Amino acid sequence: AQTVTQSQPEMSVQEAETVTLSCTYDTSESDYYLFWYKQPPSRQMILVIRQEAYKQQNATENRFSVNFQKAAKSFSLKISDSQLGDAAMYFCAYRTLFGAGSYQLTFGKGTKLSVIP
Amino acid sequence: DTAVSQTPKYLVTQMGNDKSIKCEQNLGHDTMYWYKQDSKKFLKIMFSYNNKELIINETVPNRFSPKSPDKAHLNLHINSLELGDSAVYFCASSLSSSGTGWKTQYFGPGTRLLVL
Repeated sequence: AQTVTQSQPEMSVQEAETVTLSCTYDTSESDYYLFWYKQPPSRQMILVIRQEAYKQQNATENRFSVNFQKAAKSFSLKISDSQLGDAAMYFCAYRTLFGAGSYQLTFGKGTKLSVIP
Repeated sequence: DTAVSQTPKYLVTQMGNDKSIKCEQNLGHDTMYWYKQDSKKFLKIMFSYNNKELIINETVPNRFSPKSPDKAHLNLHINSLELGDSAVYFCASSLSSSGTGWKTQYFGPGTRLLVL
């Protein structure tokens, strides 16, 4: 079974600065998908960014980018020019590509990000 | 336009009661899910369901049962509620019917269940 580890329970960043949230995972598969979801105080789960394991190029969505290191099984999220609205819980998630489990996400325990004005 | 909706948003009930949480998606997706988020914010899959198969996480007690009247709805029915069932329950949906591809899951707003 796959596992996802987020080793930073809490982090803080100054507004307008850059912060990196770490995520590692354990799998024996060669192809899979990785996701970062954001959960603000409203509780809504919002997709931030996603990455396909067979793509070497790191995904980017505006101020959000990832550093995907497949050999190291690492998938960190970088937030540039942090804004107050970025304050939230961030969850890293893994999804396998095939088989009965291909429909579900395996989540890490989350990192709570605070943004300091 | 709400993509994935859940009702109710809050549910307070007594131990031993039976309750249901409703989920509806208007995205045309063919697969729906229920996740449980515990007090420590840990999210765990409970069920995934499409018109072909129901996949149940083996750790889910059989007091929990998903019921799908049609492709757009997946309700969660809970019998004999226990204190440990208190959590936030999220419904999600995705398009999973053919090939590979993202199959990104879109989540509902969550239902906070408190069992007294």
